[in-house]
Amino acid sequence: EAGVVQSPRYKIIEKKQPVAFWCNPISGHNTLYWYRQNLGQGPELLIRYENEEAVDDSQLPKDRFSAERLKGVDSTLKIQPAELGDSAVYLCASSFRDRGTGELFFGEGSRLTVL
Amino acid sequence: DAKTTQPNSMESNEEEPVHLPCNHSTISGTDYIHWYRQLPSQGPEYVIHGLTSNVNNRMASLAIAEDRKSSTLILHRATLRDAAVYYCILRALSGNTPLVFGKGTRLSVIA
Repeated sequence: EAGVVQSPRYKIIEKKQPVAFWCNPISGHNTLYWYRQNLGQGPELLIRYENEEAVDDSQLPKDRFSAERLKGVDSTLKIQPAELGDSAVYLCASSFRDRGTGELFFGEGSRLTVL
Repeated sequence: DAKTTQPNSMESNEEEPVHLPCNHSTISGTDYIHWYRQLPSQGPEYVIHGLTSNVNNRMASLAIAEDRKSSTLILHRATLRDAAVYYCILRALSGNTPLVFGKGTRLSVIA
């Protein structure tokens, strides 16, 4: 079974440029998460989806960040315009609601460097 | 969210057992104790979880104190591949509550 797939793995942009990250969760997983991980820190939740509905976006900086999950499958996270402080690894995770441990499966992440 | 306290770093010799401690004195009765680990340049991965009783799986064992205010993740024979950051996380019983990560413990394994 394929795991959570994210792209791109690495992205380098100049500040004020836009950037987008894509996530394909594990087939059948109806819950999708975007986390941000700064160097030396644990991941921090940005947004959580149940199917296509964003049920927790309280930590998403809405002035420059946006996310969507059309049809409740793939998701994109966009930053426009990027700032120097946005340099981080952006992690996508998925899980199957109400089954088993509710274990989260993470992708390898997208590392963003803003110059 | 209830918080956990872990040492910043630990070191182990290869093929020796490793005991990774976690304190969670404010744990509530419905909080499960989850452990995830993050290998270099990878996303976190699930290790084990428990509520009250000790748990074993193919990766590790979880020992939970009787008062549930602390727990210990046990790797029975550390290998170089076990070098990672280990996160102890409390997660509510119901639904798909998100994981709230702390800084974790960075485990180094020496050959």
